[in-house]
Amino acid sequence: DTAVSQTPKYLVTQMGNDKSIKCEQNLGHDTMYWYKQDSKKFLKIMFSYNNKELIINETVPNRFSPKSPDKAHLNLHINSLELGDSAVYFCASSQDFGEDRGDYGYTFGSGTRLTVV
Amino acid sequence: GQNIDQPTEMTATEGAIVQINCTYQTSGFNGLFWYQQHAGEAPTFLSYNVLDGLEEKGRFSSFLSRSKGYSYLLLKELQMKDSASYLCAVRSHNNAGNMLTFGGGTRLMVKP
Repeated sequence: DTAVSQTPKYLVTQMGNDKSIKCEQNLGHDTMYWYKQDSKKFLKIMFSYNNKELIINETVPNRFSPKSPDKAHLNLHINSLELGDSAVYFCASSQDFGEDRGDYGYTFGSGTRLTVV
Repeated sequence: GQNIDQPTEMTATEGAIVQINCTYQTSGFNGLFWYQQHAGEAPTFLSYNVLDGLEEKGRFSSFLSRSKGYSYLLLKELQMKDSASYLCAVRSHNNAGNMLTFGGGTRLMVKP
């Protein structure tokens, strides 16, 4: 039933390791996103994919690489993890309905709390 | 660039009314959203405004003035469960498509 699901929910790992977070949506949305929420609770866009194509790539280090095998999946791989990568990572999806129809913005996954030690 | 400002914290009493303001500066404005986020959970959609005026949804209402770059979220008959962070988010359209940018959130504490 879950609309946007991401795994794992918690991830504790050592500096220097490589890890992946998976995201899947069953809403039929065309666009998927990765957001990072730091300790100050700011939600910042990292990447956006529309129909498997990268359309937004904010100033994120090259160590972060998104991969979208199909429009229902957007995974995030992080190489050489650093202490500053500790945050909650949210996957989201959306569909642009246009101004004259109901619009529900983004649907978020439950988040992955990444702790780098 | 975009700039979205909202108060960091607010406190209100159960049963009361509270108004959370948000001001923004953006190009390519394409809608303003309010989300609610409880601690440790995902943000959930509350309201959407793209035209000027008031949108009412039960106890929650949201107002938008595009000329002033201003919105507010009004919560009536506050309940303890309304204690959460409220995120103002502006959608803008550019060459890369639509993008939702969030303010820092307003942490609302409802007291008995």
